[in-house]
Amino acid sequence: GAVVSQHPSWVICKSGTSVKIECRSLDFQATTMFWYRQFPKQSLMLMATSNEGSKATYEQGVEKDKFLINHASLTLSTLTVTSAHPEDSSFYICSAPRGQDSFVGGYTFGSGTRLTVV
Amino acid sequence: GENVEQHPSTLSVQEGDSAVIKCTYSDSASNYFPWYKQELGKRPQLIIDIRSNVGEKKDQRIAVTLNKTAKHFSLHITETQPEDSAVYFCAASASPDSWGKLQFGAGTQVVVTP
Repeated sequence: GAVVSQHPSWVICKSGTSVKIECRSLDFQATTMFWYRQFPKQSLMLMATSNEGSKATYEQGVEKDKFLINHASLTLSTLTVTSAHPEDSSFYICSAPRGQDSFVGGYTFGSGTRLTVV
Repeated sequence: GENVEQHPSTLSVQEGDSAVIKCTYSDSASNYFPWYKQELGKRPQLIIDIRSNVGEKKDQRIAVTLNKTAKHFSLHITETQPEDSAVYFCAASASPDSWGKLQFGAGTQVVVTP
């Protein structure tokens, strides 16, 4: 249980175009979704936190106008990389808390999206 | 905010030996400390976790210890096998009332040689 489906798994786009990544919780309600970016041989860096029905909270240094996050329903959060450039090429991955009980659940991760901007 | 430091960055061990990875955290409010194994291009896989009300947890060849006073926690893998080769990340969650954001350590590349 507690599965997050992430699409696409990989995408290649031209510089200047926008790319949308979707994370969908399949068997639970994800009121919160965390978005991470991971460059090769580096750690997962938190970009932003999305909450259903409210504006996303961005980490310091992350451009909110470039990385648009929408959490319109309890099961879907999207990340749109706008006007993508080669330096945006990275592995993007979402994560959702499994439950509200502090001693049950943990976090579940999407399968990740490999974005390559050419 | 929370800052998690992880050492070493790389760890080479002979098959059958033990591997130890150490992490420190900065936020005393952190109460959840998971360890993840990540293979190239894949999502992190939870291998073990510990909560702040517990000092040690073991699952077969894997164990985690937590020292809240010193704000550090460690992963111990015994009887290492080649399939243990991967990148391991520690993480900490700093929200005691609900599942807050996870901050990750820098990662440790573990190589187990036969």
